[in-house]
Amino acid sequence: NTKITQSPRYLILGRANKSLECEQHLGHNAMYWYKQSAEKPPELMFLYNLKQLIRNETVPSRFIPECPDSSKLLLHISAVDPEDSAVYFCASSPTISNERLFFGHGTKLSVL
Amino acid sequence: GDSVTQTEGLVTLTEGLPVMLNCTYQTIYSNPFLFWYVQHLNESPRLLLKSFTDNKRTEHQGFHATLHKSSSSFHLQKSSAQLSDSALYYCALSDQGGRALIFGTGTTVSVSP
Repeated sequence: NTKITQSPRYLILGRANKSLECEQHLGHNAMYWYKQSAEKPPELMFLYNLKQLIRNETVPSRFIPECPDSSKLLLHISAVDPEDSAVYFCASSPTISNERLFFGHGTKLSVL
Repeated sequence: GDSVTQTEGLVTLTEGLPVMLNCTYQTIYSNPFLFWYVQHLNESPRLLLKSFTDNKRTEHQGFHATLHKSSSSFHLQKSSAQLSDSALYYCALSDQGGRALIFGTGTTVSVSP
């Protein structure tokens, strides 16, 4: 799916800080960050609608989202923990009605 | 709270045989959206089917499902499995209110020749 791009694809971190980036070229209003740990379904972390943070699930404070414009989403991570090892998917949908989510290819985070 | 139940963790079958994956849900909302997402190995989830209409069959790529609100079910079926159907299948629930998409635990389908 080249219409939602995420970078980087793979990330190996110790205790460093890093940001994940996402951009969608679909003209969607809603953008999401999902976390998928091994052998588990995706879990919502954050939901933005028209650049406004709508949903903020129970996520450690070391994860800070940012939506600089309606097509871009960032996830700033500081002082990662081993439990943060997972694939982080960016997704978007036309509206917040969740009619259909389009997922990016994900960023696989491995914490040393 | 809302939840989605997929009873099978792993389904193994031979190519050409029918597939049926179970999905039931619980929700307080009278107009739920139900979805099937498919996730191939090392890929992102992709929408396979969706429905919010009671008792109406929806089809895509040989798969079909019917939302039955009376039994809170949205089972996925295919008449003849192909090798390329090997993947992880998630049933998911939402409504129109911008709540999180709630995924079931997933069913891995493994199709062999």
